[in-house]
Amino acid sequence: DAGVTQSPTHLIKTRGQQVTLRCSPKSGHDTVSWYQQALGQGPQFIFQYYEEEERQRGNFPDRFSGHQFPNYSSELNVNALLLGDSALYLCASSFLGTAYGYTFGSGTRLTVV
Amino acid sequence: QQQVKQSPQSLIVQKGGISIINCAYENTAFDYFPWYQQFPGKGPALLIAIRPDVSEKKEGRFTISFNKSAKQFSLHIMDSQPGDSATYFCAARRTGANNLFFGTGTRLTVIP
Repeated sequence: DAGVTQSPTHLIKTRGQQVTLRCSPKSGHDTVSWYQQALGQGPQFIFQYYEEEERQRGNFPDRFSGHQFPNYSSELNVNALLLGDSALYLCASSFLGTAYGYTFGSGTRLTVV
Repeated sequence: QQQVKQSPQSLIVQKGGISIINCAYENTAFDYFPWYQQFPGKGPALLIAIRPDVSEKKEGRFTISFNKSAKQFSLHIMDSQPGDSATYFCAARRTGANNLFFGTGTRLTVIP
């Protein structure tokens, strides 16, 4: 039973660059939510994708964008990287656009230098 | 502005003891309160969840106590084991929304 798969696991980027993170949801799930977890903090909601549309967005700038594909997988793109974007980026999958029963991936650790 | 306030930041408990983690919220529109467990290098995993129409929910050694009038809820881990050593997050969902607000986490260490 495949859980949530995220890639890559670690990434180092230079300030100003762009990055793309990828997520494959748990089998049977059709909704992907992205969260940013700074060191020592709880996850913060970036946005949710359901039926290939962004359904809800947290308090993140437009530099953060995403996409969901017909197979329910998703990408998170961050442009013009800042040092403060360094964090663990978590993908959570669920069903029917809800926040119930999230299954989280192990995350992508992004370091901006 | 932290929507869900969690305490303590860290907790050390002897094996076999009871671990208690507390959370408080202000928004009365919250209608779903899950707890997540996170091990180093892993994503959070759902442990147990409760809705505000129930005052207590128990699953194995884990119990959520919910006080709607005080807008507080807590996680109790009975017979704590070294394998329970992890970071625990409380969270809440607002009615009609499809995201969770997380607390800042509690790092639990269970000493053998």
